[in-house]
Amino acid sequence: SQTIHQWPATLVQPVGSPLSLECTVEGTSNPNLYWYRQAAGRGLQLLFYSVGIGQISSEVPQNLSASRPQDRQFILSSKKLLLSDSGFYLCAWSDHVGTAIDEQYFGPGTRLTVT
Amino acid sequence: AQSVTQLGSHVSVSEGALVLLRCNYSSSVPPYLFWYVQYPNQGLQLLLKYTTGATLVKGINGFEAEFKKSETSFHLTKPSAHMSDAAEYFCAVSDGLRNTPLVFGKGTRLSVIA
Repeated sequence: SQTIHQWPATLVQPVGSPLSLECTVEGTSNPNLYWYRQAAGRGLQLLFYSVGIGQISSEVPQNLSASRPQDRQFILSSKKLLLSDSGFYLCAWSDHVGTAIDEQYFGPGTRLTVT
Repeated sequence: AQSVTQLGSHVSVSEGALVLLRCNYSSSVPPYLFWYVQYPNQGLQLLLKYTTGATLVKGINGFEAEFKKSETSFHLTKPSAHMSDAAEYFCAVSDGLRNTPLVFGKGTRLSVIA
């Protein structure tokens, strides 16, 4: 069966510090991968998605970036965090082949607090 | 382009009462529709989905939703609310194309009062 991991689970970082959040998927190959952010009272915001290694689509231009160095690894980064980067970050995956109905499966999330 | 509107950011019901969470969608093609649930500090979990066929879809935890094309709606219901149903619920739509992210609504927080 497939599983998705995110770490760290919680993170407290000062303004201006760098960020690296990691997401890995097990039990599937060539998944589509997604990064979302939930800020308080603002629903789910799609940040990035990837349909393959090195292929990243950005939905929101800001000080965050994403990379996919391996097939089942998705990394969210920032060089300098802002207070507004605080939130709950969710990684998700969906099948890349097979059914066209791309149901998404979510990881447990990372709670980021920028102080 | 698809869009989803969830009416009511917060719904409160008494334990044992009917739960009704509203979702309307906009889509230029036959949509695929999903409901997800999120418990505090956790990821999203799929409750149910509509793809094709029967318009009344049953999901986990006693929830069901009905696809009404004429009303462009996919409302989520449960006959009798439990305290454990307190969570945030998200409706989402897909155009069925591969490699296209789901489009999510803003979510509805359900509170259940004892």
